[in-house]
Amino acid sequence: NAGVTQTPKFQVLKTGQSMTLQCAQDMNHEYMSWYRQDPGMGLRLIHYSVGAGITDQGEVPNGYNVSRSTTEDFPLRLLSAAPSQTSVYFCASSYSGGRGYTFGSGTRLTVV
Amino acid sequence: AQSVTQLGSHVSVSEGALVLLRCNYSSSVPPYLFWYVQYPNQGLQLLLKYTSAATLVKGINGFEAEFKKSETSFHLTKPSAHMSDAAEYFCAVRPYNNAGNMLTFGGGTRLMVKP
Repeated sequence: NAGVTQTPKFQVLKTGQSMTLQCAQDMNHEYMSWYRQDPGMGLRLIHYSVGAGITDQGEVPNGYNVSRSTTEDFPLRLLSAAPSQTSVYFCASSYSGGRGYTFGSGTRLTVV
Repeated sequence: AQSVTQLGSHVSVSEGALVLLRCNYSSSVPPYLFWYVQYPNQGLQLLLKYTSAATLVKGINGFEAEFKKSETSFHLTKPSAHMSDAAEYFCAVRPYNNAGNMLTFGGGTRLMVKP
């Protein structure tokens, strides 16, 4: 089925470890973005991409890196995990013009 | 910068009662507006969207929302709540001129439905 696939679904990290959250879409969407969800704060934008090779920072980019070498993939890297990065992470993809956003099922990350 | 305010982090209604979830945005130019629903341990599902066509937008599961420019509001309603409507609801905006096509979300409203 077409959509956005995120892996892993759950992850526990120790403080200081690094890891990559994977995101892939098969809808040929130009735009992709990463959000984190924390209680009472809705979803906040971490990084986004408007096409292969083009990325930019969102509202809360510190501690995260992204790259977009292909249209399909948009991985999110945690450089040195901190407890403040404990959250649920969602990847989304879309066409332009607000036509619609498709969200992945999320990655629940705990940093201890 | 865009901001979205959802009044009431928790709303409780009885089954069969009217559901009203409030959303106000800040923008001088009407943006695109969305309502998403999130069931426990799941991702976000689009309920409905406003993209400058009809001001009354009908969505899935019997929900609808009305865009009111004068009030900068996009409140979500459903005439009769069902137990299956219990979930968290998010209002989101995308500015009309937004090169990155990003969404700004409200803080969410958790809807509880009492039998």
